[in-house]
Amino acid sequence: TQLLEQSPQFLSIQEGENLTVYCNSSSVFSSLQWYRQEPGEGPVLLVTVVTGGEVKKLKRLTFQFGDARKDSSLHITAAQPGDTGLYLCAGILRSNFGNEKLTFGTGTRLTIIP
Amino acid sequence: GAVVSQHPSWVICKSGTSVKIECRSLDFQATTMFWYRQFPKQSLMLMATSNEGSKATYEQGVEKDKFLINHASLTLSTLTVTSAHPEDSSFYICSASYSRLAGGLNEQYFGPGTRLTVT
Repeated sequence: TQLLEQSPQFLSIQEGENLTVYCNSSSVFSSLQWYRQEPGEGPVLLVTVVTGGEVKKLKRLTFQFGDARKDSSLHITAAQPGDTGLYLCAGILRSNFGNEKLTFGTGTRLTIIP
Repeated sequence: GAVVSQHPSWVICKSGTSVKIECRSLDFQATTMFWYRQFPKQSLMLMATSNEGSKATYEQGVEKDKFLINHASLTLSTLTVTSAHPEDSSFYICSASYSRLAGGLNEQYFGPGTRLTVT
């Protein structure tokens, strides 16, 4: 069973601060995704990284995929209260049917204090 | 586009009864649907993968006779929790994907989830 460990598990910071969330695994994934989930809702895709070493930016969010495609990080600059939520990384492996199976990380619950 | 709905959004049932949860792709044909379970303050755990017209593939530790999955059409998959017990209380989330061109990433589109409470 592939395991994706996220750290920190919980993070509570003041508005305007920067933060980094890490996603680590001993397994190699073909690609990796980051999601944000609000309470009582399904997860919403933020980004997909495919190439080792790839960096993608989405406004104040910067995502990086490790060179060995085993780890990833999410950096948020000048955090806003709207960034509050559960952040999940998900590693992608191909299933027997050729469709991608997602293995979700343990999650990071982020709270931005106004 | 790529909207997935679930019904019901929440359900309360008595121990020993069965509950059916529907997952529909509203504006695309889903060749594959996935069912996840999420316990409070935890991450999503994949339960099973189903392809239209074939039997679902269950993850290790998931009882196929307890969690019946039917993917009867390209827009509908159902999960039936049979003989539900309080420990089955959880947030059940489905996702749907469709086959793209060879080599492309088949993105999963997630439903809003169904909160099941077994009393």
